[in-house]
Amino acid sequence: QKEVEQNSGPLSVPEGAIASLNCTYSDRGSQSFFWYRQYSGKSPELIMFIYSNGDKEDGRFTAQLNKASQYVSLLIRDSQPSDSATYLCAVNQDYGQNFVFGPGTRLSVLP
Amino acid sequence: NAGVTQTPKFQVLKTGQSMTLQCAQDMNHNSMYWYRQDPGMGLRLIYYSASEGTTDKGEVPNGYNVSRLNKREFSLRLESAAPSQTSVYFCASSARTSGFTDTQYFGPGTRLTVL
Repeated sequence: QKEVEQNSGPLSVPEGAIASLNCTYSDRGSQSFFWYRQYSGKSPELIMFIYSNGDKEDGRFTAQLNKASQYVSLLIRDSQPSDSATYLCAVNQDYGQNFVFGPGTRLSVLP
Repeated sequence: NAGVTQTPKFQVLKTGQSMTLQCAQDMNHNSMYWYRQDPGMGLRLIYYSASEGTTDKGEVPNGYNVSRLNKREFSLRLESAAPSQTSVYFCASSARTSGFTDTQYFGPGTRLTVL
């Protein structure tokens, strides 16, 4: 079974701090990696995706990918209470329709 | 442009009853998906359809059937509901992003309780 693992949390950070969310995956052949945010009772919404080793920045969000270590992370700078949500990591294993999701990490940003 | 829509939003069934969850997208996406989400387990793929006229099983297909009615619509049917099918069901569609990888967009979800 190909797996995607995340620390379930909750991860608590003070407002204005950097939140670091981590994800590991078991299939070394995985090609693209996604971060979704899910507010309680709502559907997942895409934050960003990454497919090349290194960093990718989008506003306050930075995704980091290390394929050798099978590790992808999401950094949220200047965290706000509105960032409090569950963050889902997803892995696409063949550039097609085969997406595998992690269980999610619950983030709490404290005012 | 509504994106991905799902009906109903909530449903309560008795064990053994049947029902169909409806999903439609207006983004002209080729691929559509059905997931279920249970506490602590993330999203698990039930079925997907890579294109109109094709469907494939995902991780947890038992107890479900699907129909890709046309490019816009993808329905999920529970023939004989069981309490283990109590869950939140999400439909999604996807499109090729930057000519490289598919990106998924989700509907609002259906909260199903089977008594």
